[in-house]
Amino acid sequence: GENVEQHPSTLSVQEGDSAVIKCTYSDSASNYFPWYKQELGKRPQLIIDIRSNVGEKKDQRIAVTLNKTAKHFSLHITETQPEDSAVYFCAATINNAGNMLTFGGGTRLMVKP
Amino acid sequence: GAVVSQHPSWVICKSGTSVKIECRSLDFQATTMFWYRQFPKQSLMLMATSNEGSKATYEQGVEKDKFLINHASLTLSTLTVTSAHPEDSSFYICSAPRAGSSGNTIYFGEGSWLTVV
Repeated sequence: GENVEQHPSTLSVQEGDSAVIKCTYSDSASNYFPWYKQELGKRPQLIIDIRSNVGEKKDQRIAVTLNKTAKHFSLHITETQPEDSAVYFCAATINNAGNMLTFGGGTRLMVKP
Repeated sequence: GAVVSQHPSWVICKSGTSVKIECRSLDFQATTMFWYRQFPKQSLMLMATSNEGSKATYEQGVEKDKFLINHASLTLSTLTVTSAHPEDSSFYICSAPRAGSSGNTIYFGEGSWLTVV
């Protein structure tokens, strides 16, 4: 089955700096890679996703890159703000074939004002 | 707005009793839903895949007789924790895939905090 590894487990940055979270996956058949932001006690919120037919996707301060050859994808947050502080999870799945997400271990991002 | 709704958000029950948690897709039909369990400061652990009209598929190590899943309609899946014990206390959360033009997007319910006393 799929295995997703996520690094780092914790990340502390100064407000305004950039934050990068990296994930690797094992199943080359995976073709959908969403990123979720989870605040304490709340549901994971989809913040951005990328499908295997593109290498990069951007939405305002958030971007995701995908390298299918190397089987890794990354989340980039620029101009971080204190409200970006949360736990971020990457995930991978074979979309339209069960849709069962395999999650990374999570990254606790702390943005210091 | 919310795409997947989960109820209740919080529940406290006594040891030995059963608790039912509902997961609803609000504006789409979901033949498949997923149930996760999350311990504090940990990732989401898939418990089972709920299949409309057929039996759920459980992950290894998850007791199907303890965590009963019923997917009776295309918009509702329920998870019943039977004979609950304090070690069952956890955050339970469901998800469902919604079809889009470029593929499915997976959304989560609000989650349910279960405390067994």
